[in-house]
Amino acid sequence: SAVISQKPSRDICQRGTSLTIQCQVDSQVTMMFWYRQQPGQSLTLIATANQGSEATYESGFVIDKFPISRPNLTFSTLTVSNMSPEDSSIYLCSSTRGSDYGYTFGSGTRLTVV
Amino acid sequence: QKEVEQNSGPLSVPEGAIASLNCTYSDRVSQSFFWYRQYSGKSPELIMSIYSNGDKEDGRFTAQLNKASQYVSLLIRDSQPSDSATYLCAVKNSNSGYALNFGKGTSLLVTP
Repeated sequence: SAVISQKPSRDICQRGTSLTIQCQVDSQVTMMFWYRQQPGQSLTLIATANQGSEATYESGFVIDKFPISRPNLTFSTLTVSNMSPEDSSIYLCSSTRGSDYGYTFGSGTRLTVV
Repeated sequence: QKEVEQNSGPLSVPEGAIASLNCTYSDRVSQSFFWYRQYSGKSPELIMSIYSNGDKEDGRFTAQLNKASQYVSLLIRDSQPSDSATYLCAVKNSNSGYALNFGKGTSLLVTP
């Protein structure tokens, strides 16, 4: 399975600012995804990061708030914009070479907005 | 929204016993099913994947799939305290491309 390096691992940010999270995969993968996991909750899909085109967002998530880039097959970023305390969460990226293969996760970014 | 349901637990089993974790899903056309283990403060780790009806065994873990009844289960034999974690059931969601749809997870506690 692919190994994903995600950074930063944690950050404390002021409300109204933005944070960009990066994920680097050690091999070419077909799909990359971004999830949010709020304390004590399961994973909620934010968007699918599409290589070379705009991300596909799930209901409740918009590009202005969570802009995503995926310039190539191994790298993606998620920006959390104009942050509020409600954005405090763990953000995880995930990748797969296809649904017949496993989906692996980055180590996560624990974001606290104060 | 296609649902994946799990009992949140906690499920408590004594060391050496069999732990049985269950999951039901609503998307009838789902084809791919996964079990992840998540320790507190860590990211999910893939334990098992299953695609066909029946059982799939890997070491102490057995995944069972019944598409007609829309349930998938995970059995952990000879449970160890190190198995104490949250177990997430995930289903490939036909409405979200290749993304996985996760259940809320079952907390497992294995007592020495």
